[in-house]
Amino acid sequence: AQKITQTQPGMFVQEKEAVTLDCTYDTSDPSYGLFWYKQPSSGEMIFLIYQGSYDQQNATEGRYSLNFQKARKSANLVISASQLGDSAMYFCAMREGPTSGTYKYIFGTGTRLKVLA
Amino acid sequence: NAGVTQTPKFRILKIGQSMTLQCAQDMNHNYMYWYRQDPGMGLKLIYYSVGAGITDKGEVPNGYNVSRSTTEDFPLRLELAAPSQTSVYFCASTDRAGEQYFGPGTRLTVT
Repeated sequence: AQKITQTQPGMFVQEKEAVTLDCTYDTSDPSYGLFWYKQPSSGEMIFLIYQGSYDQQNATEGRYSLNFQKARKSANLVISASQLGDSAMYFCAMREGPTSGTYKYIFGTGTRLKVLA
Repeated sequence: NAGVTQTPKFRILKIGQSMTLQCAQDMNHNYMYWYRQDPGMGLKLIYYSVGAGITDKGEVPNGYNVSRSTTEDFPLRLELAAPSQTSVYFCASTDRAGEQYFGPGTRLTVT
């Protein structure tokens, strides 16, 4: 069965430092997508970054990068040069691919990040 | 471009009442989803649809129903509301290629 695990309920980081949020996954589908979303205290879901299972290179979007280790089934989010506005809940998600035909998404339980001034 | 819209934003229901949460998207996406998010938790899939006329259950479908008569709309029906259905409900849509686009959410309280 598909599963997403985020083992860090909460993290602290000093402003301007880098931080890594952990995510591991499990799936039997050879084709899948991995996503990270940010949920600030206002509640909306903000897409950050995407990694496809066949992508050879790690995805990057500005200060966000996804450390994709397929053999270990991990998809950690790295935020460089943390800013106070990065304080939020972060969710890792996985999308089943065309093999299953459903394109269902499952979400982890989230990591609450607090950036300290 | 409105993206994904949800109405209402807030609602208080009494136990046993019914209501419909509305969701619409204007991006011509085939795939649409309903999630609930309990306090401090992640999103759990209630129902999803891969196109008009096609719906399927997610992880937590009990107490809910959906329909998908058009590509744009994907309403979620709550029958006989219970306190356990107090949650924030998110609707989302996607094409197959990339990210899910989320609506702003509906905060529902059942008392």
